[in-house]
Amino acid sequence: DAGVIQSPRHEVTEMGQEVTLRCKPISGHNSLFWYRQTMMRGLELLIYFNNNVPIDDSGMPEDRFSAKMPNASFSTLKIQPSEPRDSAVYFCASSLRGGDNQPQHFGDGTRLSIL
Amino acid sequence: QQQVKQSPQSLIVQKGGISIINCAYENTAFDYFPWYQQFPGKGPALLIAIRPDVSEKKEGRFTISFNKSAKQFSLHIMDSQPGDSATYFCAASLIYGGATNKLIFGTGTLLAVQP
Repeated sequence: DAGVIQSPRHEVTEMGQEVTLRCKPISGHNSLFWYRQTMMRGLELLIYFNNNVPIDDSGMPEDRFSAKMPNASFSTLKIQPSEPRDSAVYFCASSLRGGDNQPQHFGDGTRLSIL
Repeated sequence: QQQVKQSPQSLIVQKGGISIINCAYENTAFDYFPWYQQFPGKGPALLIAIRPDVSEKKEGRFTISFNKSAKQFSLHIMDSQPGDSATYFCAASLIYGGATNKLIFGTGTLLAVQP
């Protein structure tokens, strides 16, 4: 079974550039999560969607960050303009929505380096 | 109140030994406690999980012990193997936003099992 697919796996870009990270959730999953992982702050939830609708974006650090989910099989996380402090590993995860604590399945992440 | 405190930060265990990682929480509304395992270059993967109405759950060499009154839970890895070397995250889950579980992660424990 295909898991959560993220692209690119690595991204190196200069400060000020626009960065777009992509995620394809597991087919049939209707909740999607974007996380950021750094040594200093660990795993932080940025935003999550239910049925393509953003439910909670309180973890999005600044207006420079935006996320969309135009359909059930695709989501993007965009940073514009990017800054060196945005360097981190960004993970996408998906799960079945429901009250029974459905496990979240993570992709392998995008390692982002802003120079 | 939303934090999950995890210790130790790193752990070295001899092959065949027992690895123990501890977590503590404050918010009694948490209702699901998963452990995730992360290998370098990969996303976290669900290892084992427990609900607060159970004091212990065992899956193979992995056991979660849960102390509801103390608001603490721990992961025990019996007969630790070099292949268990990874970063382990505890987490606590809240049901909100329309029955989707939001995970609050601990800071992680880097486990090294020496042959």
